Amino acid sequence: QVQLVQSGAEVKKPGASVKVSCKASGYTFTSYGISWVRQAPGQGLEWMGWISAYNGNTNYAQKLQGRVTMTTDTSTSTAYMELRSLRSDDTAVYYCARDEAYYGSGNFGYYFDYWGQGTLVTVSS
Amino acid sequence: SSELTQDPAVSVALGQTVRITCQGDSLRSYYASWYQQKPGQAPVLVIYGKNNRPSGIPDRFSGSSSGNTASLTITGAQAEDEADYYCNSRDSSGNHPVFGGGTKLTVL
Repeated sequence: QVQLVQSGAEVKKPGASVKVSCKASGYTFTSYGISWVRQAPGQGLEWMGWISAYNGNTNYAQKLQGRVTMTTDTSTSTAYMELRSLRSDDTAVYYCARDEAYYGSGNFGYYFDYWGQGTLVTVSS
Repeated sequence: SSELTQDPAVSVALGQTVRITCQGDSLRSYYASWYQQKPGQAPVLVIYGKNNRPSGIPDRFSGSSSGNTASLTITGAQAEDEADYYCNSRDSSGNHPVFGGGTKLTVL
């Protein structure tokens, strides 16, 4: 069965960096992309970016450009998300999710079919 | 503010039908997907594409779309359906995914 297992909770000081991992199993890792989504306490879901596990191509949310880097290690089927220059408003649960596409009746659709369990990142002095 | 607009809260009586809507210009070109999230848990995909349910999602969940509005319908809502529901599609450029603000569903 498909599983995405994330690394554990982190506490960081403002200005530091954090790197969250997402280990995939149960499918061919390089056949899908991985998106990262975060959720601040009591808030909604925010898409952060996407990486192709096939060729490493990335697509980042504009507001995080320059602070976020997504990478993969195909030898261990693991995706990573690094966020730098952390601020208090980066405090959130960070999720990885498998990215999938759908085409039917002339339209495309994109969706996240499997999610990791989430990693709480707390930024506090 | 999000490019996809959802009502913040909706309620439904147990066993009745409820429709949760998502509005945005990109929905004229891209299908929405829908996610259920219960407190302290990761989101779960419930509808994708034109009206497709992943394995394990009850058939009381269905999706539809008209113009700039996508809808998630729960026919015969159960107590366990009480959760936050998020729609997802593309932004106006079509290059990035975007989520709606979420709808908190209360089952009375």
